Amino acid sequence: QKEVEQNSGPLSVPEGAIASLNCTYSDRVSQSFFWYRQYSGKSPELIMSIYSNGDKEDGRFTAQLNKASQYVSLLIRDSQPSDSATYLCAVKVAGRRALTFGSGTRLQVQP
Amino acid sequence: ETGVTQSPTHLIKTRGQQVTLRCSSQSGHNTVSWYQQALGQGPQFIFQYYREEENGRGNFPPRFSGLQFPNYSSELNVNALELDDSALYLCASSLGPPDDTQYFGPGTRLTVL
Repeated sequence: QKEVEQNSGPLSVPEGAIASLNCTYSDRVSQSFFWYRQYSGKSPELIMSIYSNGDKEDGRFTAQLNKASQYVSLLIRDSQPSDSATYLCAVKVAGRRALTFGSGTRLQVQP
Repeated sequence: ETGVTQSPTHLIKTRGQQVTLRCSSQSGHNTVSWYQQALGQGPQFIFQYYREEENGRGNFPPRFSGLQFPNYSSELNVNALELDDSALYLCASSLGPPDDTQYFGPGTRLTVL
């Protein structure tokens, strides 16, 4: 079992719709959770971090964390073609230095 | 823009050669982490430097080594290059404990022939 798992996609949504991206993790002592966006050929760009159970909103983005079920999700409201990218979920386990990444979900927003 | 810079942007080497990649961290950040990202995969942690000391290492062989300088810039050195070392090498800087948010530079694309 991979430490951080994401559906590779592609996830295709029409412009203006809500895109829902999911991530599950295996280590119960995970303490910090991050979503990064990566355009083709570019480096990851931080979208949001979340540390506590519940929802955290930032503009069109909402991160949701459920530690009991060991999943974290990212909702993108009013999806735009410019949101088309690969979304990486990253987890930091307590006591470790590394971020552990999933393989990413490719999102396609259709105009 | 994160303020993290990396050089060079692209590099082509042949198998067996050695390479040095460079990273300048964001102003005020004293921690630098290096990651390797193969095509279609998420970044894999190589190691982290905090205040000039190696502060954690991933599952990479000793031919991957690094340094951090007093100004917190960093180098990644890879000896005896192998074809599988072809990847995007990412540097990420952070404020340091307890803040673990990492900001990535643009990366160096290494091709080993």
